[in-house]
Amino acid sequence: AQRVTQPEKLLSVFKGAPVELKCNYSYSGSPELFWYVQYSRQRLQLLLRHISRESIKGFTADLNKGETSFHLKKPFAQEEDSAMYYCALKGGPGGGADGLTFGKGTHLIIQP
Amino acid sequence: DSGVTQTPKHLITATGQRVTLRCSPRSGDLSVYWYQQSLDQGLQFLIQYYNGEERAKGNILERFSAQQFPDLHSELNLSSLELGDSALYFCASSPQGATNEKLFFGSGTQLSVL
Repeated sequence: AQRVTQPEKLLSVFKGAPVELKCNYSYSGSPELFWYVQYSRQRLQLLLRHISRESIKGFTADLNKGETSFHLKKPFAQEEDSAMYYCALKGGPGGGADGLTFGKGTHLIIQP
Repeated sequence: DSGVTQTPKHLITATGQRVTLRCSPRSGDLSVYWYQQSLDQGLQFLIQYYNGEERAKGNILERFSAQQFPDLHSELNLSSLELGDSALYFCASSPQGATNEKLFFGSGTQLSVL
């Protein structure tokens, strides 16, 4: 079955330190993966998608099919990065025909 | 602003009651998705509609139902409410649901069942 696992509920790092938010998935087909972010009192929004191979707000994520992972990384954390981060997999029974299956999220806290 | 509007923002009701949550998708978006967010379960997919028809079902209880109207807005009906139904309910939309499309989320309806 399709599944997204984010092993860390909470991750706290100091400003300027590197950040890595882990995401593992299980999917029988060719995965389409996304990271969504929810800042305090704001709506959930797309951060980046693997197909675009982009860097948004200094974050990058590389799809590793061998390890079935899509970890989110940033070399130097900033206080404004504090938020809930959700890894998501397109499709599957957890997301509907075209929707997304989300992990349970990681709460990232950047300490000054 | 994502363009997806959800009303009401907050809803407080009692067990056994019935409520209706409303979602207006972005202009032109044909797909509407409903998600439930709780502390222990995270974001759970409930149901998807595409151009007025149900397209996929997730972890939606039989007490819950939804529909999408000709003007593409959607309503999620929750009945015989229980304490455990207290959660943040999100609606999201996308143009068609094609490959690699992103979802645009509303700000959610916070439901509190007392």
